[in-house]
Amino acid sequence: GNSVTQMEGPVTLSEEAFLTINCTYTATGYPSLFWYVQYPGEGLQLLLKATKADDKGSNKGFEATYRKETTSFHLEKGSVQVSDSAVYFCALSDATGANSKLTFGKGITLSVRP
Amino acid sequence: NAGVMQNPRHLVRRRGQEARLRCSPMKGHSHVYWYRQLPEEGLKFMVYLQKENIIDESGMPKERFSAEFPKEGPSILRIQQVVRGDSAAYFCASSQGAPGYTFGSGTRLTVV
Repeated sequence: GNSVTQMEGPVTLSEEAFLTINCTYTATGYPSLFWYVQYPGEGLQLLLKATKADDKGSNKGFEATYRKETTSFHLEKGSVQVSDSAVYFCALSDATGANSKLTFGKGITLSVRP
Repeated sequence: NAGVMQNPRHLVRRRGQEARLRCSPMKGHSHVYWYRQLPEEGLKFMVYLQKENIIDESGMPKERFSAEFPKEGPSILRIQQVVRGDSAAYFCASSQGAPGYTFGSGTRLTVV
């Protein structure tokens, strides 16, 4: 079955530090890949996505590249801000299925200190 | 264009009571998904519905849980005879079928 593995957290960084959050996946076929962000007390917001190999998703300074050879979709940001503090979830959608239900990783909490 | 609306935001039920969670999808969206988030866990798929049809309920517990998405009105996730283990955040999402959807802010159910 499908699965998503995220690096263990939490992660604490100083403002303007470089961020990498690792994500690897197992899936049949050619899934679409996503990063969602959840701010305290809120629902998930789609941060970025990539639907085929070598695609790069980007939004708000965050980037992730769909690497089929390493089955990875690592999230990066060059300079984090305090406002980036949130929980980040990697997810995949089995594009070959009849519906697009998502399989999520466990999430990782990012705290950015001033 | 309002986003996905869920209510109530917080719900407290005593063991054995029923919980009803409502979800109104984004305007024009006909696909609704329910997910459950247990403490310190990621979201787990429960059920996928289109208008008047359950498409995939592979993530739903076999007993006490049911979902519907009627022709008119919101989607409802119903939990009968709640137990403490049902305490979680329940998120609804909607889409037009393309990859990636919009989530609501969730209903946080506490069973006391």
